[in-house]
Amino acid sequence: QSVLTQPPSVSAAPGQKVTVSCSGSNSNIGNNYVSWYQHLPGTAPKLLIYENDKRPSGIPDRFSGSKSGTSATLGITGLQTGDEADYYCGTWDTSLSAGVFGGGTKLTVL
Amino acid sequence: QLQLQESGPGLVKPSETLSLTCTVSGASISRGSYYWVWIRQPPGKGLEWIGSISYSGTTYYSPSLKSRVTISVDTSNKEFALKVTSVTAADTAVYFCARMRGAAVAGKLSSYMDVWGKGTTVTVSS
Repeated sequence: QSVLTQPPSVSAAPGQKVTVSCSGSNSNIGNNYVSWYQHLPGTAPKLLIYENDKRPSGIPDRFSGSKSGTSATLGITGLQTGDEADYYCGTWDTSLSAGVFGGGTKLTVL
Repeated sequence: QLQLQESGPGLVKPSETLSLTCTVSGASISRGSYYWVWIRQPPGKGLEWIGSISYSGTTYYSPSLKSRVTISVDTSNKEFALKVTSVTAADTAVYFCARMRGAAVAGKLSSYMDVWGKGTTVTVSS
């Protein structure tokens, strides 16, 4: 059971938009910044979003992040088949004094 | 360019100790505001945060693993290490090391992993 809750899967057609939700509590998302990661099997996870809505250099603006209260959302527009991957949200949990992840969401581009 | 590389045995017997090392190249391991992290992914499951250490030795551990985990840092050799004692099959996973930015920003904690190693598979089996 992960501290942060994500839907197990989402899907959309190429070119469309999809959102991935991440729900937590005041001890994590509510009072700390959220990051998002893209993970393709057999590779290292890649940082997509940090501090809720910032993109590292090299990440296209098709990827966006937002946060409201104890929930965060990753948005991906102009879906490509190459976007098929697992997506994870992460943050710091102040009560646990530890980092936490969501359970991951598998994106399928139909 | 910062690179991280995990190394260690790929097979560990039940009840023994799992030991992994992460070697840092291309940047200093002693830079402030950064922590060095271990994360794992069991087969078919999601990412699990194990723990982190600063260059000065400050550690944070996942409560679920705290009793069995030790993370240490060797700044002279630019590496940090993970030890997990009394392993079982549930510790079978791909283990990743990563660099984590950790800082207070506008009163809130910012923590994110910006550089990752490729991961190493550890199987616990007799």
